[in-house]
Amino acid sequence: GAVVSQHPSRVICKSGTSVKIECRSLDFQATTMFWYRQFPKQSLMLMATSNEGSKATYEQGVEKDKFLINHASLTLSTLTVTSAHPEDSSFYICSAATDDYSNQPQHFGDGTRLSIL
Amino acid sequence: LAKTTQPISMDSYEGQEVNITCSHNNIATNDYITWYQQFPSQGPRFIIQGYKTKVTNEVASLFIPADRKSSTLSLPRVSLSDTAVYYCLVGGSYNTDKLIFGTGTRLQVFP
Repeated sequence: GAVVSQHPSRVICKSGTSVKIECRSLDFQATTMFWYRQFPKQSLMLMATSNEGSKATYEQGVEKDKFLINHASLTLSTLTVTSAHPEDSSFYICSAATDDYSNQPQHFGDGTRLSIL
Repeated sequence: LAKTTQPISMDSYEGQEVNITCSHNNIATNDYITWYQQFPSQGPRFIIQGYKTKVTNEVASLFIPADRKSSTLSLPRVSLSDTAVYYCLVGGSYNTDKLIFGTGTRLQVFP
């Protein structure tokens, strides 16, 4: 099956640090990638949708200057949490889909647990 | 906005069949129904997807009635390793309004 690799799996850093998370589709071309955020015992919340070669589309309430998304190739998207603060601590998950994701499932990475001290 | 409703939790014993139902009253014509499984500190994993009637694969079956306003994930004989949260997701067309994960169902399997 399709494999999505997310790195790093865990980050612990000081407040004010910027953190970059990578999401790679290893065996297929992902025209579209999604970034989710999940708090403990809660569901996944979509943060943004990124399409290769264009600007990301952010969901309402998600600060685009805070969460920078780059999707420079068909196999790589990055999420940078800028000047992270303790309230940004969460589990961040990416997923990838082909262009026609209306009838193809998303393939998820294993998530990045971000802890800001 | 597309919205799904599932039971928050379910308990079962090893070897039993588990059926988890998801309601999606405002499903659109183009929407598919997809079920995912999530273990703690991992990303969701695809289980099964369908559009109508019945779909079966090596791990589960998905039953979708004619009106498509609900769907039922059936796990034939659960084991302890099936303890997880199960999400149904409706849609996935070019409208991200559809990419809304509901509360999910936390399945606990006991020995």
